[in-house]
Amino acid sequence: EPEVTQTPSHQVTQMGQEVILRCVPISNHLYFYWYRQILGQKVEFLVSFYNNEISEKSEIFDDQFSVERPDGSNFTLKIRSTKLEDSAMYFCASTTSRGLGAYNEQFFGPGTRLTVL
Amino acid sequence: KQEVTQIPAALSVPEGENLVLNCSFTDSAIYNLQWFRQDPGKGLTSLLLIQSSQREQTSGRLNASLDKSSGRSTLYIAASQPGDSATYLCPDRGSTLGRLYFGRGTQLTVWP
Repeated sequence: EPEVTQTPSHQVTQMGQEVILRCVPISNHLYFYWYRQILGQKVEFLVSFYNNEISEKSEIFDDQFSVERPDGSNFTLKIRSTKLEDSAMYFCASTTSRGLGAYNEQFFGPGTRLTVL
Repeated sequence: KQEVTQIPAALSVPEGENLVLNCSFTDSAIYNLQWFRQDPGKGLTSLLLIQSSQREQTSGRLNASLDKSSGRSTLYIAASQPGDSATYLCPDRGSTLGRLYFGRGTQLTVWP
């Protein structure tokens, strides 16, 4: 069964360093999302991406964050200068193109645990 | 701002019990509703998707209902098993683009 994959599973970095989190969405999906979950807290939306541009972003997704679909399969989240408070589990999700994105089932990847020291 | 309230926040039961998990939304514009489970330290697994035109959806021992007029959804778990132990989530759809708003979920523990 097709699934969303994410690499790495765990990333440790020093404060101020850049990190890139990678996702491979399900192959026929066209809407992509990033969410994060700080330990013990709710899952929070970061950004949605469709047709090679950002569709929607939350107040969390500031200038330190960027997303890219560099090729036909990968979807990446870059944090330019990490802060301690960026430590969280980051989830990628995708959904099909049938109709509007809101009507379709979202499939989540297993997550990347980011630890900023 | 959309809010999702899930009741109860935690539930601990012996296996075999039939369970009811409740979800309510502040936003009445419900496009559809997707229930997830999250195991500790893991990703989110999709359980059921109820379209806005449906009132309920079933998958195995799971049955989810949706009442758009009251902004509520209920997940029924029949004959619970220890493997059902997880946090159950019912995020609200924030827009036609699919943004999900999550609550804190219901943390379920089923003991043998």
